[in-house]
Amino acid sequence: QVQLQESGPGLVKPSETLSLICTVSGVSISSYSWTWIRQPAGKGLECIGRIYRSGSTDYNPSLKSRVTMSLDTSKNQLSLKLSSVTAADTAVYFCARDALLWAFDYWGQGTLVTVSS
Amino acid sequence: EIVLTQSPDTLSLSPGERATLSCRASQSVSSSYLAWYQQKPGQAPRLLIYGASNRATGIPDRFSGSGSGTDFTLTINRLEPEDFAVYYCQQYDSSPRTFGQGTKVEIK
Repeated sequence: QVQLQESGPGLVKPSETLSLICTVSGVSISSYSWTWIRQPAGKGLECIGRIYRSGSTDYNPSLKSRVTMSLDTSKNQLSLKLSSVTAADTAVYFCARDALLWAFDYWGQGTLVTVSS
Repeated sequence: EIVLTQSPDTLSLSPGERATLSCRASQSVSSSYLAWYQQKPGQAPRLLIYGASNRATGIPDRFSGSGSGTDFTLTINRLEPEDFAVYYCQQYDSSPRTFGQGTKVEIK
């Protein structure tokens, strides 16, 4: 059974860096691509970017200058860093498996990150 | 980027009725790389349909998807109480992957 679990600080100060981890179980992260999505309260879904099993990345141009994604195959984890955050980055952050033809087939439950001083 | 526009924003229906949700793309979505997700409050989205018309594992057959190019439809036959939720379409043909704004299916 594939499971994903996001973790990280729930509160980040403006101008600082948001850092999240997604721990994957039931499958090797080296076998698939993975994606991060966020959702502000009461709003829609936005893809932040994805990381291929090779470790190469594809970021949303709207966030590209501030985003870094990486894989830790030894821990079966993926990470997201978003720098210079503002209140507009307050959202629930999800990780999901990008199964190519099969779309985003497994999701974590999401973690709320609030940007506030 | 490909912009997806869903209609209507809200659909008010009774259990047992049929729901028809629309998703229109600003440019053609090739190879039908179009998916539909269901999201309930406080939960992650759940994949319903991929490749425009293929049901994901464990999805009841009352859910069906159709369409190609720029126009896609999600149909829910005989709405069950657990089907009242927000539905999103998504294109995964080009980067960045984008979602529609969502259609809320509410109990009438």
